[in-house]
Amino acid sequence: DSGVTQTPKHLITATGQRVTLRCSPRSGDLSVYWYQQSLDQGLQFLIQYYNGEERAKGNILERFSAQQFPDLHSELNLSSLELGDSALYFCASSALTGHEQFFGPGTRLTVL
Amino acid sequence: AQKITQTQPGMFVQEKEAVTLDCTYDTSDPSYGLFWYKQPSSGEMIFLIYQGSYDQQNATEGRYSLNFQKARKSANLVISASQLGDSAMYFCAMRAAYSGAGSYQLTFGKGTKLSVIP
Repeated sequence: DSGVTQTPKHLITATGQRVTLRCSPRSGDLSVYWYQQSLDQGLQFLIQYYNGEERAKGNILERFSAQQFPDLHSELNLSSLELGDSALYFCASSALTGHEQFFGPGTRLTVL
Repeated sequence: AQKITQTQPGMFVQEKEAVTLDCTYDTSDPSYGLFWYKQPSSGEMIFLIYQGSYDQQNATEGRYSLNFQKARKSANLVISASQLGDSAMYFCAMRAAYSGAGSYQLTFGKGTKLSVIP
């Protein structure tokens, strides 16, 4: 158990819909990272938050957005969903020094 | 930009034997970190081992060791005494260049699927 929690574990929805994925980092970790794992693209970095502020952006679509709240949990919002958004979405957290990133169990999103 | 290459899509190893999973990387940054993660069929990503670019010695964690050859830009994972539970996908990753306080996003390779044969 990495100490990072993600909900829900599975999510099935239809094209055009909007979903919210939730992540709680390890106790004391200020950084939260979101990654997408798909068969086509592999594991890709989406976005990072540090203590409530957006710190880095990767290959994140404009239809996707995220935020980190004062209690440090983070949410990834995916809107106008397409079939190609079906993937495993991981949240990871790290301490200030950032050597290891500890991954949550992931949310498997299926868009039908 | 950073790039990670894992050239072995799949590997087989006999139980109790050692196996080496290859990873080469490309970066122009003098300071970087290299990671290996394991992803079993259940899907979670499990951190295995870390090597910093300035570390003088190769990293080891139990049965895992990282064969770091800086001049060749390679960071191979060696698993000794393979066990059936080692069957999984293995990903090599690089920490992107430090671009501000707390920015350490990872760039991943495509992974190697390891199958341990009884």
